[in-house]
Amino acid sequence: AQSVTQLGSHVSVSEGALVLLRCNYSSSVPPYLFWYVQYPNQGLQLLLKYTSAATLVKGINGFEAEFKKSETSFHLTKPSAHMSDAAEYFCAVSGTGRRALTFGSGTRLQVQP
Amino acid sequence: ETGVTQSPTHLIKTRGQQVTLRCSSQSGHNTVSWYQQALGQGPQFIFQYYREEENGRGNFPPRFSGLQFPNYSSELNVNALELDDSALYLCASSLGDDSTEAFFGQGTRLTVV
Repeated sequence: AQSVTQLGSHVSVSEGALVLLRCNYSSSVPPYLFWYVQYPNQGLQLLLKYTSAATLVKGINGFEAEFKKSETSFHLTKPSAHMSDAAEYFCAVSGTGRRALTFGSGTRLQVQP
Repeated sequence: ETGVTQSPTHLIKTRGQQVTLRCSSQSGHNTVSWYQQALGQGPQFIFQYYREEENGRGNFPPRFSGLQFPNYSSELNVNALELDDSALYLCASSLGDDSTEAFFGQGTRLTVV
C-alpha cells in the first residue's frame, strides 16, 4: 500500500519569496510521485512527476521537486513566488500496477503582496 | 486534440435519488478513472475503466458504479445518494491503465440536499 503526507495544510509566503511545500511518502514498491495544482473550482493540473529517472524533477511554472529516497520525501519548491501561484497543491503517489493515484490532503498556498 | 470534458459542471440532487455523471476522454485515450474529492480533502480513487471493463476499484460501496462505452467515454452512477456524497467528482483519462500519464477534467460539483 502507498500513502502520502503533506505537512502543513496552509502555507503563506510573500511575493518573491521561496516556496517550499512538503510531501513525504510511504510505498512498498518503488514509487512514482506527482505534484498537482488546483485552482478554485477547477480540476487538477500536473506540475511535475517523478518516474525513477532523474531525482531532481523540473516542472511547469518554475516549480521543481527532488526525490530523496533516504528521507522518503518529494518536496516541491519554487525560488520566487508569484501572486498567480496561489492555489491548492496536492502530492500524489502511484504504486503497484500504477492504476490509481493516492493523494495527500493538500496544501493551500497563499501569496502575500 | 480535445481534452477531458465532464458534464454537467454542477448539479443538485436530493438524498435517496440517483445521479449520472459523464466524462469524455481525451482523444486517443482508452482509459478513464474516477475520483471523489470531498471539500477540503484530496481526491480519492473510485474506480478505473479500461477497454470497457472495470480495472480496479477503491474503497467505495457498490452503489457507485460505472460504464465505459466503445468510444471510451464513461459514466459514473451513484444510487441512493447520501449527504456525504456531496463532492467534486473528477475524471481522468489516459492511454492504457498507467496513471502516470493521466489528464484530469474540470470536474462535476455534486451537492446532495
